[in-house]
Amino acid sequence: DAGVIQSPRHEVTEMGQEVTLRCKPISGHNSLFWYRQTMMRGLELLIYFNNNVPIDDSGMPEDRFSAKMPNASFSTLKIQPSEPRDSAVYFCASGRNRWETQYFGPGTRLLVL
Amino acid sequence: AQKVTQAQTEISVVEKEDVTLDCVYETRDTTYYLFWYKQPPSGELVFLIRRNSFDEQNEISGRYSWNFQKSTSSFNFTITASQVVDSAVYFCALTPTGKLIFGQGTTLQVKP
Repeated sequence: DAGVIQSPRHEVTEMGQEVTLRCKPISGHNSLFWYRQTMMRGLELLIYFNNNVPIDDSGMPEDRFSAKMPNASFSTLKIQPSEPRDSAVYFCASGRNRWETQYFGPGTRLLVL
Repeated sequence: AQKVTQAQTEISVVEKEDVTLDCVYETRDTTYYLFWYKQPPSGELVFLIRRNSFDEQNEISGRYSWNFQKSTSSFNFTITASQVVDSAVYFCALTPTGKLIFGQGTTLQVKP
């Protein structure tokens, strides 16, 4: 079975531009999570969905960040406008439900200049 | 409050040595799950083990073993006869609600 798929794998953009990260969870998984990894803050949850519904978005840094899950096989994380401090690795993970093991995608390495 | 502490920032060992990575957690929930993930230099996060709060049995998988002790809120990970390929950052994580709370990670370097 295919694992969690993320695109793009690398993104370099300039401050002020819109960035959209994409995720396809493992088929049959009902929970989807977006994490961010930085040297300063480590791995932190941004938002998670259960059955396509956002459950906890308390980790979303500010209004510049938004996430959607229009169907069970696709989610996006959008940053508009992007800032240099958004530079990080963004991971998407999915699980059968929120209690089960979360399997991570390869991550998107974002650099905002 | 939920918290995971991995006090060892970096550990360096020589190949074939045994090494234990410590993990201490805090939670007031009675039902929770603990995890270990490995992040090799390539950057992906690889699942190693999941343990629920009601199962204190130790687990062994090949050269890996885990010791879960609720009395001390610890979930330690031991690699026996370490190999260079074990070099990675190892994360312990806790979830009482579905939201994974990660420790800061322990960087393990295994030298040949």
